[in-house]
Amino acid sequence: EAQVTQNPRYLITVTGKKLTVTCSQNMNHEYMSWYRQDPGLGLRQIYYSMNVEVTDKGDVPEGYKVSRKEKRNFPLILESPSPNQTSLYFCASSLAGVNIQYFGAGTRLSVL
Amino acid sequence: RKEVEQDPGPFNVPEGATVAFNCTYSNSASQSFFWYRQDCRKEPKLLMSVYSSGNEDGRFTAQLNRASQYISLLIRDSKLSDSATYLCVVNRRGSQGNLIFGKGTKLSVKP
Repeated sequence: EAQVTQNPRYLITVTGKKLTVTCSQNMNHEYMSWYRQDPGLGLRQIYYSMNVEVTDKGDVPEGYKVSRKEKRNFPLILESPSPNQTSLYFCASSLAGVNIQYFGAGTRLSVL
Repeated sequence: RKEVEQDPGPFNVPEGATVAFNCTYSNSASQSFFWYRQDCRKEPKLLMSVYSSGNEDGRFTAQLNRASQYISLLIRDSKLSDSATYLCVVNRRGSQGNLIFGKGTKLSVKP
């Protein structure tokens, strides 16, 4: 089954404790992206990647890191999480950036 | 002008009603347009792409007006299961890597 898989689905952590949210897709898509969704603000892009070893900042990259060492994986790293990073996070993939994007089920993160 | 703008609603309609949403976009060079549907706390899912000539998928019709820079979504014969938030999506000019999502319009279909 074609899918985008995010883990974990739910995470509660404390300020400053490094964490990684994994994202994997099995559709051989070149493009992958991370979004955060907050009430009243909609979906905002954090980082995106157009191919292996090619990443670029989205609209709200501060406090986040990404890497794209393999085509199928695009982890999101929070080196020192802060409470303002409490949010619902989605990973997405597509054949190319302007094409239809397929989303993972989301990761709900709470930073205390 | 915001890159993608939608009326947040909520639109509260009875079953069987016809409802229409509009979305305006600021980038006249945008080429890709979509409507996504998002259920509460779930991931967005593609509802339909929007083509220049307009397109229909069952009870759903999408239209694009390039001159006025808006896209629309018409839902006929609304069902309870249509209750969701509808996201307008447009690509950024000159960028291969970015789709912009509107904040969404909430639809609630009542019995």
